[in-house]
Amino acid sequence: GAVVSQHPSWVICKSGTSVKIECRSLDFQATTMFWYRQFPKQSLMLMATSNEGSKATYEQGVEKDKFLINHASLTLSTLTVTSAHPEDSSFYICSARGMSGRNEQFFGPGTRLTVL
Amino acid sequence: GQNIDQPTEMTATEGAIVQINCTYQTSGFNGLFWYQQHAGEAPTFLSYNVLDGLEEKGRFSSFLSRSKGYSYLLLKELQMKDSASYLCAVTDSWGKFQFGAGTQVVVTP
Repeated sequence: GAVVSQHPSWVICKSGTSVKIECRSLDFQATTMFWYRQFPKQSLMLMATSNEGSKATYEQGVEKDKFLINHASLTLSTLTVTSAHPEDSSFYICSARGMSGRNEQFFGPGTRLTVL
Repeated sequence: GQNIDQPTEMTATEGAIVQINCTYQTSGFNGLFWYQQHAGEAPTFLSYNVLDGLEEKGRFSSFLSRSKGYSYLLLKELQMKDSASYLCAVTDSWGKFQFGAGTQVVVTP
């Protein structure tokens, strides 16, 4: 149980285009999902907390108009990188909070974004 | 806020034991997780500590001292497949994770 999927697993796009990444909890309902970004040889940096049915909460320094998050259902959150630029190239990982009391997060397999 | 420190890299031979330390400063502690991450992959759960003491799970053990803001992950009987980055993550009362920078463990034959 507690499987989280992401799609696509990798994407290459041209500068200025937008890219949508999907995060799904496959066998459980997730009221809260998290979006992280990881640059090479660095740790995961939390970008935003996505709550089903409400606006996402963004971490300091993350542009909400550039990284659009939608959490329309209990099993799906999407991250759209708008007007992507080469500096947005990174590994984007989502996670979903489990239902146990220990706030465990289950991670998706990640999406490698390369902006040319 | 939370500050989490762990060593950048550790090297050990196959069959040996390695201990990865993690120290943290947090305004609200609600548990500590250890994750394993292979290059280009998502983190996978290893252990969870919320009370002081040692949690053992097979070859991996994790220890927590809340008063000292300290945890360690112990890897025993190292195997080549254990070469990976090990992430210490502290969670607060809101369920948000703060990750350390990760410790790259290199296992040599």
